[in-house]
Amino acid sequence: EAGVVQSPRYKIIEKKQPVAFWCNPISGHNTLYWYRQNLGQGPELLIRYENEEAVDDSQLPKDRFSAERLKGVDSTLKIQPAELGDSAVYLCASSYPEVYGYTFGSGTRLTVV
Amino acid sequence: DQQVKQNSPSLSVQEGRISILNCDYTNSMFDYFLWYKKYPAEGPTFLISISSIKDKNEDGRFTVFLNKSAKHLSLHIVPSQPGDSAVYFCAASASSNTGKLIFGQGTTLQVKP
Repeated sequence: EAGVVQSPRYKIIEKKQPVAFWCNPISGHNTLYWYRQNLGQGPELLIRYENEEAVDDSQLPKDRFSAERLKGVDSTLKIQPAELGDSAVYLCASSYPEVYGYTFGSGTRLTVV
Repeated sequence: DQQVKQNSPSLSVQEGRISILNCDYTNSMFDYFLWYKKYPAEGPTFLISISSIKDKNEDGRFTVFLNKSAKHLSLHIVPSQPGDSAVYFCAASASSNTGKLIFGQGTTLQVKP
């Protein structure tokens, strides 16, 4: 089966600019996650979707971050405007419901200059 | 508050010897633990897991030990191979919130030929 696909792989933007990341989960996986991994740290959950519904977005900085998962398949994570501190790797993952271990994509490395 | 801690940022071992990676946690609600492995420019991949009802789980060269009283788990790799060189993340989850994994900071393992 195809894995979790993320694009772009790398993105360099100037601060205050908008940026968007896209994720296509594994077919049949109803649960989708966005994680952020800062340099030298482990991934931290930003938002979790069950189908189209965001069931946990408590860690999402809602003043500048937004996410959507239309039709319960692909998802987009947006930052507007980006700040220097947003430089990180943004990871998307998917799983079947109630499954602990899930599959990560390769991530998008964002650099804000 | 770091609920999952990997206090050793790096570990270097000789090929064929044992690698032991350690992880401590503070939240007594955690009842499922996972280890992920990450190569550069790739997303984390699931390696092995253990439920809190067990104290050991083995899969080939990889064994995870759980000491609930000490809130400590460890990953043993025997024998270590150069291809095992990667960053290893410990993660924990609570059955009350199965979708959310809390990750440690990671340990970089280098296996020397």
